[in-house]
Amino acid sequence: DGGITQSPKYLFRKEGQNVTLSCEQNLNHDAMYWYRQDPGQGLRLIYYSQIVNDFQKGDIAEGYSVSREKKESFPLTVTSAQKNPTAFYLCASSMVAGGVVTQYFGPGTRLTVL
Amino acid sequence: KQEVTQIPAALSVPEGENLVLNCSFTDSAIYNLQWFRQDPGKGLTSLLLIQSSQREQTSGRLNASLDKSSGRSTLYIAASQPGDSATYLCAPHTGGGNKLTFGTGTQLKVEL
Repeated sequence: DGGITQSPKYLFRKEGQNVTLSCEQNLNHDAMYWYRQDPGQGLRLIYYSQIVNDFQKGDIAEGYSVSREKKESFPLTVTSAQKNPTAFYLCASSMVAGGVVTQYFGPGTRLTVL
Repeated sequence: KQEVTQIPAALSVPEGENLVLNCSFTDSAIYNLQWFRQDPGKGLTSLLLIQSSQREQTSGRLNASLDKSSGRSTLYIAASQPGDSATYLCAPHTGGGNKLTFGTGTQLKVEL
């Protein structure tokens, strides 16, 4: 079954704790992305990676960190420095076919800070 | 910086109506534009991708048009059904890094 998996589906965290969200893809895509979605707002890009061992900050990277040690995996750590981490987090990957880039999304992780 | 606006923000219609969802963007130098569907609490599903060189793209009851020079795209849904109820997001692809910029979406409800 090909696709993007995110775990866990729901995550609860106490203030001051770091937490890591998992994203795995078996689509053989080179690029992967993390977005944050808040109610009434569009998706905002946190970090993206176009190739293994390389990643770039998106629009709202403060308080987050990522790694890209394997092509299939792009975990996101929400640190205690993130002031308002409660949100819905979406992971995506993209393929290039005929010069056209198409993004595919995982099912999301809902993070709640207690 | 690319900014994307979607109008209307919400729409409620009876089953069977034909619908038009609008998307406008400020930077017309795009490579392509994707339309997505999002069900409550779920990830995004890609509906249509329209390339910058194309004017239209069709999939079943969905038709997306693109007027790149004026910074507009339209998603047309024919003969709407209750199963079409969802939030529809447009996202132009601009610049390096294969990044998309998302609008805030149109929340559609199709009633029996």
